[in-house]
Amino acid sequence: EAGVAQSPRYKIIEKRQSVAFWCNPISGHATLYWYQQILGQGPKLLIQFQNNGVVDDSQLPKDRFSAERLKGVDSTLKIQPAKLEDSAVYLCASSEGQWAFFGQGTRLTVV
Amino acid sequence: QKEVEQDPGPLSVPEGAIVSLNCTYSNSAFQYFMWYRQYSRKGPELLMYTYSSGNKEDGRFTAQVDKSSKYISLFIRDSQPSDSATYLCAMSSNAGKSTFGDGTTLTVKP
Repeated sequence: EAGVAQSPRYKIIEKRQSVAFWCNPISGHATLYWYQQILGQGPKLLIQFQNNGVVDDSQLPKDRFSAERLKGVDSTLKIQPAKLEDSAVYLCASSEGQWAFFGQGTRLTVV
Repeated sequence: QKEVEQDPGPLSVPEGAIVSLNCTYSNSAFQYFMWYRQYSRKGPELLMYTYSSGNKEDGRFTAQVDKSSKYISLFIRDSQPSDSATYLCAMSSNAGKSTFGDGTTLTVKP
């Protein structure tokens, strides 16, 4: 079974620039999550999709972050404009039950 | 106060030692309790999953949940260098949406 695919693996941008991350979940998984993991901390949920609908985006900084899930499969997370404090690993995960399967993440550095 | 508090570590033990990793939580609605293992520069991977109070054993790993004390633990017996990683506890009140602890980094020395 193929896992959760994310790209790119690494990204370095200057503050105020924009960036986008892509995620392809495990086939058949209806639920997709984006988490932010700051160095030394646990993952923090940004947004949860069920198929192509948003279930929870209460922790998403909507003034700069946006996410969409096309046709209930792939998803993109965008940051515009980026701030220094956005430096983190962005993890995509998918599930069909009580626990999630994670991708390897995209490590973002904002300079 | 965070909903989930995890013993911060880091923890360094000799090979073969018994390791105890612990988390406390404040949200009584949490029903599902997970332990994830995260190797450096990798995503978290599910290690153990329990529902309700009690113990669950899987090989060298035992997960323990005490809902009355809002306390969960992960025990690793006969620890190996390959167990060196960050261990994250996670909890949820419904399907999938989990709240994570900040992780405990474990190093097992040969």
